[in-house]
Amino acid sequence: GAGVSQSPRYKVAKRGQDVALRCDPISGHVSLFWYQQALGQGPEFLTYFQNEAQLDKSGLPSDRFFAERPEGSVSTLKIQRTQQEDSAVYLCASSSNSGSNNEQFFGPGTRLTVL
Amino acid sequence: GNSVTQMEGPVTLSEEAFLTINCTYTATGYPSLFWYVQYPGEGLQLLLKATKADDKGSNKGFEATYRKETTSFHLEKGSVQVSDSAVYFCALSRNNRKLIWGLGTSLAVNP
Repeated sequence: GAGVSQSPRYKVAKRGQDVALRCDPISGHVSLFWYQQALGQGPEFLTYFQNEAQLDKSGLPSDRFFAERPEGSVSTLKIQRTQQEDSAVYLCASSSNSGSNNEQFFGPGTRLTVL
Repeated sequence: GNSVTQMEGPVTLSEEAFLTINCTYTATGYPSLFWYVQYPGEGLQLLLKATKADDKGSNKGFEATYRKETTSFHLEKGSVQVSDSAVYFCALSRNNRKLIWGLGTSLAVNP
């Protein structure tokens, strides 16, 4: 079956622009995670959804970052007034059950470059 | 807080050499431990995992044992291949929530 998909794969934005990054999780997966991976670093947690509920947004670096999953499936990560330090790969992952230690399946990521 | 420290790379080996990538962690309670791999041009994939002390995760010839006494989860492979060239990440999670990651170790295997 289809894995996690993300779009766009690449995004170039001018500083100050707003961007929206989309994640399509594996069908039926309850949990959805967003991570930010700077060049040469490990991923850093941004936020977590269980169905449509955003249970943890402690990793969002500023109030310019906003994520939603209104119907418990597709999720969008929005970054307002982008800054150069927002340049990174944004990874989405989904898993089937939040109550046990289940594997997170990752999408290919969206590489954001802010000029 | 919770954190993961892994051996810095890059690591360069010849084919059929023995591989160890060290990983240690700091965590409250009993986290689950993971190794993920990122092949060139591909997304992150789970390589192996262990959910409790003394568990051994294994896959594709790689192994790692959850050592609570040393808070370690070192990745090993007895004979690496060129196709193992990738970036390897150690990670932990508690209660299947967010993953906390190491910085990654780049491995290059030469024929």
